[in-house]
Amino acid sequence: RKEVEQDPGPFNVPEGATVAFNCTYSNSASQSFFWYRQDCRKEPKLLMSVYSSGNEDGRFTAQLNRASQYISLLIRDSKLSDSATYLCVVANNDMRFGAGTRLTVKP
Amino acid sequence: NAGVTQTPKFQVLKTGQSMTLQCAQDMNHEYMSWYRQDPGMGLRLIHYSVGAGITDQGEVPNGYNVSRSTTEDFPLRLLSAAPSQTSVYFCASSRTRRETQYFGPGTRLLVL
Repeated sequence: RKEVEQDPGPFNVPEGATVAFNCTYSNSASQSFFWYRQDCRKEPKLLMSVYSSGNEDGRFTAQLNRASQYISLLIRDSKLSDSATYLCVVANNDMRFGAGTRLTVKP
Repeated sequence: NAGVTQTPKFQVLKTGQSMTLQCAQDMNHEYMSWYRQDPGMGLRLIHYSVGAGITDQGEVPNGYNVSRSTTEDFPLRLLSAAPSQTSVYFCASSRTRRETQYFGPGTRLLVL
């Protein structure tokens, strides 16, 4: 079993749609959680950290459920520019990345 | 402030050749790491360093060596390239191992 598992996707949604990504992790000792975004043939970049109380950054909302070892990312009012691969990242002694979920937002 | 830089951007090697992938950061980060990214596999940690003079193995260290003589530089050496090492390699740095990592632009390596 992989340490970090994500919805495989791909997700193809129209502009304006709301889309949710899920991620589960196996190491209960994990201490830090992130969502990264990776554009095609580019390096990953931090989208947002995920806090225990949940957090929001504009159209993006991240949730963490430690009991279920589950992280989610909600994107509201999708834009064409949101098209990318979203990586779930969990850190304990080092960072472990999920394989990513590909999102395509269409006009 | 260049962030994390990597060279070269592209490289083609023949089986058995050796090479060094360069990585440098100018953010005074203590933690640096190397990942490889393969389709469907996500990023996998090769080696990491928590500070100058200290390195350790990640998930997939075989066939790679690293050293950290300065805070800024963290080169990755392929000792004897194999086709299985064809991948995209990313270097990253952060203040600590659990904080936001900043990635370099990557090196695309093809081993024939």
